[in-house]
Amino acid sequence: EAGVAQSPRYKIIEKRQSVAFWCNPISGHATLYWYQQILGQGPKLLIQFQNNGVVDDSQLPKDRFSAERLKGVDSTLKIQPAKLEDSAVYLCASSLASAGLNTDTQYFGPGTRLTVL
Amino acid sequence: AQSVTQLDSQVPVFEEAPVELRCNYSSSVSVYLFWYVQYPNQGLQLLLKYLSGSTLVKGINGFEAEFNKSQTSFHLRKPSVHISDTAEYFCAVSGDTGGFKTIFGAGTRLFVKA
Repeated sequence: EAGVAQSPRYKIIEKRQSVAFWCNPISGHATLYWYQQILGQGPKLLIQFQNNGVVDDSQLPKDRFSAERLKGVDSTLKIQPAKLEDSAVYLCASSLASAGLNTDTQYFGPGTRLTVL
Repeated sequence: AQSVTQLDSQVPVFEEAPVELRCNYSSSVSVYLFWYVQYPNQGLQLLLKYLSGSTLVKGINGFEAEFNKSQTSFHLRKPSVHISDTAEYFCAVSGDTGGFKTIFGAGTRLFVKA
């Protein structure tokens, strides 16, 4: 079974530039998550999709971050414009969501390491 | 508000020694608890989870954890570690009410020395 795919693996940009990350979840997984992991901290949920609907985006900085999951499969996360404090690893995860959202095992991709200069 | 505290940022231990990684949580509702492991340059992988039932949970790679409701803890243990267990370990909590997202602790780096 193929895992969660993310690209690119690394990205370096200057502040005020824009950047986009792509995620392809495990086939059949209804729930998709984007997390931000700052160095030395645990992952922080940015947005959670159930199929192509948003379940939770309460911690997404909506003035600069956006995410979409148009066909309920893959997803993109965009930052525009980027700030220095956006430097982090952006993790995508997916879950089957068959037994209830809060009990599901989440399967994580390898992440995209973003450096903002 | 719900929170997770991992009491040790780093735990060095010799190979074949036992190890305990500590995790405490706070929540006003019933919780589900998870331990994930992150190897270098990889995504997080589930080690084990507690949903209900027996408070002693066994996971992959010989790890186990015990849910202690009175002490609001979910410590991870392994009786004998290997070099390959060197990784970052994250405790996480979610709840049984709507809108209770999964919250991760800051992580504990386990470093196994030969």
